[in-house]
Parts: sequence; structure tokens; C-alpha cells
Amino acid sequence: LAKTTQPISMDSYEGQEVNITCSHNNIATNDYITWYQQFPSQGPRFIIQGYKTKVTNEVASLFIPADRKSSTLSLPRVSLSDTAVYYCLVGVLGGSKAGNMLTFGGGTRLMVKP
Amino acid sequence: SAVISQKPSRDICQRGTSLTIQCQVDSQVTMMFWYRQQPGQSLTLIATANQGSEATYESGFVIDKFPISRPNLTFSTLTVSNMSPEDSSIYLCSVGTGIVFFGQGTRLTVV
Repeated sequence: LAKTTQPISMDSYEGQEVNITCSHNNIATNDYITWYQQFPSQGPRFIIQGYKTKVTNEVASLFIPADRKSSTLSLPRVSLSDTAVYYCLVGVLGGSKAGNMLTFGGGTRLMVKP
Repeated sequence: SAVISQKPSRDICQRGTSLTIQCQVDSQVTMMFWYRQQPGQSLTLIATANQGSEATYESGFVIDKFPISRPNLTFSTLTVSNMSPEDSSIYLCSVGTGIVFFGQGTRLTVV
């Protein structure tokens, strides 16, 4: 099982760039890396998904080094509304249990301060 | 993306009773999943419910406690049976279409 390790919590200030790193040392060849955001009393919301190098969308960037043993979610210019828990998942839908896309780790609780 | 609707959004139930949670998706999907999120905790997968087959339960979850139905490609139900206060959690329905999308969850409080 591709276990993920993230910092438990992070603090930042409005307008800053926030980088959250996730370690996944035993990622499998077919595994993708997916990040979710969760606000209190809501279901997780998909942010971004990648396989290697860099992926960017309208809300975030995902950096994945060549060995794919870690990944970094980058949130540009955060605001108070970005205060949430961020989860990193690795795996592939329909794949074997080793590398299960559906297993959530502890997540990173991001607090954005004014 | 898929739009997922769960009912009820919240409920307060007496111990020993059962609650059935409904999950409706706006498109046909093969893979549906049910999660539990206990207060202050991460999400834990309860079971995978694919249409046309029996649900597959994760370790620690059994069909007698959490029976699941999947009658078609857009609908599923999860029943929490013989509830106790330890079942107080948020229960989330999700669907897999390459990316996993989640409903807003059902907040269950057992008293």
C-alpha cells in the first residue's frame, strides 16, 4: 500500500505562496498523485492530479520529482478561504490494493492568517 | 466532474435504530464508494459498491452492520444498522471516474 506522509499542520498569511509536501516512498509505477481540499462539514474537493513533472490548473500547481517519491502542492497567494485540510492520495482506480487511490492519510491542516 | 447528492444531509437517531443514506449521481458511474469520517479524523473507506456485484467491504466493516445496495448506475444506499453512539460520524458517498468525486456527506449523530 502506497502510504503517504504529510505535515500535520501549517500556518501561513494571506497573499503568501504555500507549499505542502507529501512523501510516498513506495509509489507504484502506475500510481497517480491526487490532492483534495476539505472544509469542515463538507466532502473533499478535488484540486489537482498528476503523474510526473509539473501540472498546473487554475487553483494550484503540483510538482513531482523524477523519482516520484514525493510531491508538492503549491497554492499561490493564499487567502483566508484556503484554510482547510489538504489530503494527498496515491494510487489508481481499479488497481490492486498496493497503491489504492482510495486510502486517505492524515492530511495537512492549513491555517491562513490575516 | 460528477454531481453527487446525499440524503439526508444530517440526522439525529436513537441508539438501536437504523438509518439509510441515499446517494444519487447525475451520470452513470460504475464505481461508487462509501466512506466514514469520525469527528476530527481522516476518511476511512467502508466499502466499494459496483453495480451488478456484491459490495466489497474493507477490514473492520461488515455487511450486517453496513448493508449497501446498488440497484443501478446512478444510485446507491448505505444503511447504518443497530446504531450506537460510536457510529456518530459523517458518511460520504463518492464515485470514481478516473478521479474520485465526493458528495457533501451525511452527518449522523446517535444519542
